[in-house]
Amino acid sequence: EPEVTQTPSHQVTQMGQEVILHCVPISNHLYFYWYRQILGQKVEFLVSFYNNEISEKSEIFDDQFSVERPDGSNFTLKIRSTKLEDSAMYFCASSGSGLAGGRPTGELFFGEGSRLTVL
Amino acid sequence: KNEVEQSPQNLTAQEGEFITINCSYSVGISALHWLQQHPGGGIVSLFMLSSGKKKHGRLIATINIQEKHSSLHITASHPRDSAVYICAAEADSNYQLIWGAGTKLIIKP
Repeated sequence: EPEVTQTPSHQVTQMGQEVILHCVPISNHLYFYWYRQILGQKVEFLVSFYNNEISEKSEIFDDQFSVERPDGSNFTLKIRSTKLEDSAMYFCASSGSGLAGGRPTGELFFGEGSRLTVL
Repeated sequence: KNEVEQSPQNLTAQEGEFITINCSYSVGISALHWLQQHPGGGIVSLFMLSSGKKKHGRLIATINIQEKHSSLHITASHPRDSAVYICAAEADSNYQLIWGAGTKLIIKP
């Protein structure tokens, strides 16, 4: 069964450092997402990406964050100058092997998450 | 007010019981998603529905568009069903998911 792969599974970093989280979405999917879940809280949408550009982003996704699809298979989330409050589980997801009426079709597939701990 | 409300927040039941988790939403939707989050944190999509009812094994999801309400049912519950079940509304304005807070389900043997 196809799956979304995320690395690393857990990263510990010092406050102020830059972190890059990696995701390999399902190969024929067109829409890619990053979500964040702070411990004990709801999952929050960060950003969606389609056709090599950001299609939507939340208020959380400020200048500290950026996404890239550097080589046609990987989809990365970069967090610059990490803060304590960036500690969370970060989930990558992909969907949509096609478009129907303007929306991605098919279910969402999630990676297992990358747990980021900022000290 | 939260745009997606789930109830109950926590649910403990005995193995074999019929389980119902409810979700109400206030936004216009293109679809309603039910997801399962394992104790280890991983998220799995269970259902995506825009009308009526869907069934997969012992899981059933229903939606009433007029009432803006959806339910997830588990028949013959089993301890392995213990997880957090999350309802997420896919907004019809931008197709982004608005997540509920989740229902933590514990099934005791």
